[in-house]
Amino acid sequence: QVQLVQSGAEVKKPGASVKVSCKASGYTFTSYDINWVRQATGQGLEWMGWMNPNSGNTGYAQKFQGRVTMTRNTSISTAYMELSSLRSEDTAVYYCARALRITIFGVVTGDAFDIWGQGTMVTVSS
Amino acid sequence: DIQMTQSPSSLSASVGDRVTITCRASQSISSYLNWYQQKPGKAPKLLIYAASSLQSGVPSRFSGSGSGTDFTLTISSLQPEDFATYYCQQSYSTPGTFGQGTRLEIK
Repeated sequence: QVQLVQSGAEVKKPGASVKVSCKASGYTFTSYDINWVRQATGQGLEWMGWMNPNSGNTGYAQKFQGRVTMTRNTSISTAYMELSSLRSEDTAVYYCARALRITIFGVVTGDAFDIWGQGTMVTVSS
Repeated sequence: DIQMTQSPSSLSASVGDRVTITCRASQSISSYLNWYQQKPGKAPKLLIYAASSLQSGVPSRFSGSGSGTDFTLTISSLQPEDFATYYCQQSYSTPGTFGQGTRLEIK
């Protein structure tokens, strides 16, 4: 079935980097953008950025510019999100999500995240 | 960035009730609005896309409406499995901002 499977939990020290993977299966990996969303404990959802697995093009939220890098390896249908200069406020669950391009009567009407990974807990602590 | 504001932030209701959650955008987003449901410890699940289109496999008791800046998610008859947190999200422009969430609890 169509799914995204993420790598396991990470514990990092402040200032370090973390790289989370997201392996796609059940569909053509290069046909859909991958987005990354994070959620601190008890908090809401925060969009971090997107990547086109076909071209490698990316777009990041201003908040994470300079600290986040999204890449992919198409040979193994896997997307990656690396966040550097970690601080305690980066402690959160990180999700990858497939972006379904919505087209109604031939008109593009945005994207929606139809398939999500199970989440990866990243804890930043000294 | 476009700000998304949901109301109420929390809501208590009973099985069988009709429930409406509102989402307001800080500027017009046409129909570029999605709704997600999230249960504790789980990833969000897409319910509604493009303001009013029901995602495949989602029960028909869920419906969405609105355009421009004001949107609603309605659950026509609450079921026990519907108690969760609901988020709206705009896909009109990046960043694809989410509302703060509405926690739906059992009365």
